[in-house]
Amino acid sequence: QSVLTQPPSVSAAPGQKVTISCSGSTSNIGNNYLSWYQQLPGTAPKLLIYDNNKRPSGIPDRFSGSKSGTSATLGITGLQTGDEADYYCGTWDSSLSSVVFGGGTKLTVL
Amino acid sequence: EVQLVESGGGVERPGASLRLSCAASGFTFDNYGMSWVRQAPGKGPEWVSGINWNGGTRGYADSVKGRFTISRDNAKNSLYLEMNSLKAEDTALYYCARGAFLSFDYWGQGILVTVSS
Repeated sequence: QSVLTQPPSVSAAPGQKVTISCSGSTSNIGNNYLSWYQQLPGTAPKLLIYDNNKRPSGIPDRFSGSKSGTSATLGITGLQTGDEADYYCGTWDSSLSSVVFGGGTKLTVL
Repeated sequence: EVQLVESGGGVERPGASLRLSCAASGFTFDNYGMSWVRQAPGKGPEWVSGINWNGGTRGYADSVKGRFTISRDNAKNSLYLEMNSLKAEDTALYYCARGAFLSFDYWGQGILVTVSS
């Protein structure tokens, strides 16, 4: 079981919007910055969102992040077939003194 | 262009040792913390260890504490992971990543470590 909880899968049609949730506790999400990663099949994870809601250079504004209390959400608008991937949330856990990741959410663009 | 290239993986018996290396280029290496993140087949990423810019602060996952040691050589733009007392559950693709304890903005292509008798 992962410290951060994500839904195993989500799906939506091309052009639609989808959200992926990440739930934790005060020792991780509640008091630390959260990041989101996209992992396309056979590739390394790629940083999509850092510091809860900031996008690295080159990440389109179709991707957004938000945080409230001990939960966070990744939003993706204008879905494309190329967005089909596994998505992971991650943050520092102050109790474990370790970086923790969610179990991952597989996005299917129908 | 930021590049992180891992090397040193392979197949080892349980109890053996292995040293992974990561050669960094395209950025000022000693300005950044670095980490090792692993991913077992079919599983999500697991942070293994992180080190700050000068090696003064190091952190480890409980699963490897006491067995693995992270280090860096800023003169050689290199990151290392010394892995001792290897276990079957250490089998994974090991990524070198830029960033120490929060987010990881660049990742290498990964190097496979297999522990099997």
